[in-house]
Amino acid sequence: EAEVAQSPRYKITEKSQAVAFWCDPISGHATLYWYRQILGQGPELLVQFQDESVVDDSQLPKDRFSAERLKGVDSTLKIQPAELGDSAMYLCASSLARGMNTEAFFGQGTRLTVV
Amino acid sequence: AQSVAQPEDQVNVAEGNPLTVKCTYSVSGNPYLFWYVQYPNRGLQFLLKYITGDNLVKGSYGFEAEFNKSQTSFHLKKPSALVSDSALYFCAVRDDTGGFKTIFGAGTRLFVKA
Repeated sequence: EAEVAQSPRYKITEKSQAVAFWCDPISGHATLYWYRQILGQGPELLVQFQDESVVDDSQLPKDRFSAERLKGVDSTLKIQPAELGDSAMYLCASSLARGMNTEAFFGQGTRLTVV
Repeated sequence: AQSVAQPEDQVNVAEGNPLTVKCTYSVSGNPYLFWYVQYPNRGLQFLLKYITGDNLVKGSYGFEAEFNKSQTSFHLKKPSALVSDSALYFCAVRDDTGGFKTIFGAGTRLFVKA
């Protein structure tokens, strides 16, 4: 069964350092999402891509976070500089299309700890 | 603005008993509703969705959910719980006036005791 791949699974970084996460969606999925999940809360959308274009980044802290999906396939989420409050699970998901009725398929996530 | 509430942080049920995990929502337009399950240190897995049509939706692993428009609810149910159903459950909503953004609830932890 096809899966969304994410790496690394775990990352520990010092505050003020840069950190990057990678996601490879299910083949053929045009829509890609990055979510942040703080312990005890539901996922919060950071950025949504349709192919290589950003369609929603309203909750992305753009002073320190950036995301790209250059060829409309895999994607990278970067944080620079990392802050203690960025410690969370970062989830990537993809869906076949941008329609209202399409469910998302999630990767296993990257657990970030900022020390 | 759309929102979703899961009023129970945790639900405890004995194996073999029916289970219900509650979800209520608020949207401006027509709701599109989803349930996902999350096991420890894993991503979310899709269980079922309501788009239109029958108010009772059947999904994976024997789960079903009932859409109630007048009560703006979409409760997740299973007739007979298994210990392996113990996990974190998330309700999510989109509406057709707010773009394609999906809002997740805070989650409900289900604990099934043998």
